Amino acid sequence: GAGVSQSPSNKVTEKGKDVELRCDPISGHTALYWYRQSLGQGLEFLIYFQGNSAPDKSGLPSDRFSAERTGGSVSTLTIQRTQQEDSAVYLCASSLKIGTGNEKLFFGSGTQLSVL
Amino acid sequence: QQQVKQSPQSLIVQKGGISIINCAYENTAFDYFPWYQQFPGKGPALLIAIRPDVSEKKEGRFTISFNKSAKQFSLHIMDSQPGDSATYFCAASISGYALNFGKGTSLLVTP
Repeated sequence: GAGVSQSPSNKVTEKGKDVELRCDPISGHTALYWYRQSLGQGLEFLIYFQGNSAPDKSGLPSDRFSAERTGGSVSTLTIQRTQQEDSAVYLCASSLKIGTGNEKLFFGSGTQLSVL
Repeated sequence: QQQVKQSPQSLIVQKGGISIINCAYENTAFDYFPWYQQFPGKGPALLIAIRPDVSEKKEGRFTISFNKSAKQFSLHIMDSQPGDSATYFCAASISGYALNFGKGTSLLVTP
C-alpha cells in the first residue's frame, strides 16, 4: 500500500475485554514500531520489530500487552483485560531498516482506543 | 523517565512571526535528532532531522539548531503560516534503537 495502514481506526470496548489492533506497514519496510499517544503525554514507545523479532520489549506497560509480527509484515498489538488507563491512540510506524542512524518513520493514523 | 524534554507545551504566534520550540536531552549517546509534525487525526510525519556533527540544518522555512555541549536542540519556523498550526515533537535516538519523543508542542499560528 501507499502508507502504513492501521485498523480499526476507532475501538470502543468494555473494561476487562481483550482487544487486538492491527498494523500493515509499508511494503519492504523491515522495521515496525508501536507507540502510544495519550493526551499531554507525547509518544510513548511500546515495542519495535526488526523483521519478526522484537529486540526491545521494554516499553510494554504491563504483561497485559503483547505484540507479534508475522511474515515480516503485519503486526498485531493485543491488550488483555483492558483497563480505563489503556485509553489512548495507538500508533504504528514502519521504516526501511533500523540501525542506520537515520531511520525515517512513517506513521499510520492510529487506532483510537476507548475503554469504558 | 522522559529522556527528551520539550518546551513550551503550547505556543501562539502571529502569521509571519518566528516560532521557536526547544528540546533538551541527557543521554550523550543519542546521535539522531528528528522533528515530527502532527496534524489532528493523523500520525506524525518527519519534518527535518539533524546529526550531532553539525550545528544547524535548514530546509525551507524550518531550521534545526543543535548545541552539543548544552545538550539542547531547537526548531525555528520562519515566516510562520496558519497552515503550520500543528503539534510538533522533537525526538532523539541511538542508532539501532527506537526514537524517544518529547511530549509535544501545540503551535497555533493566528492570521
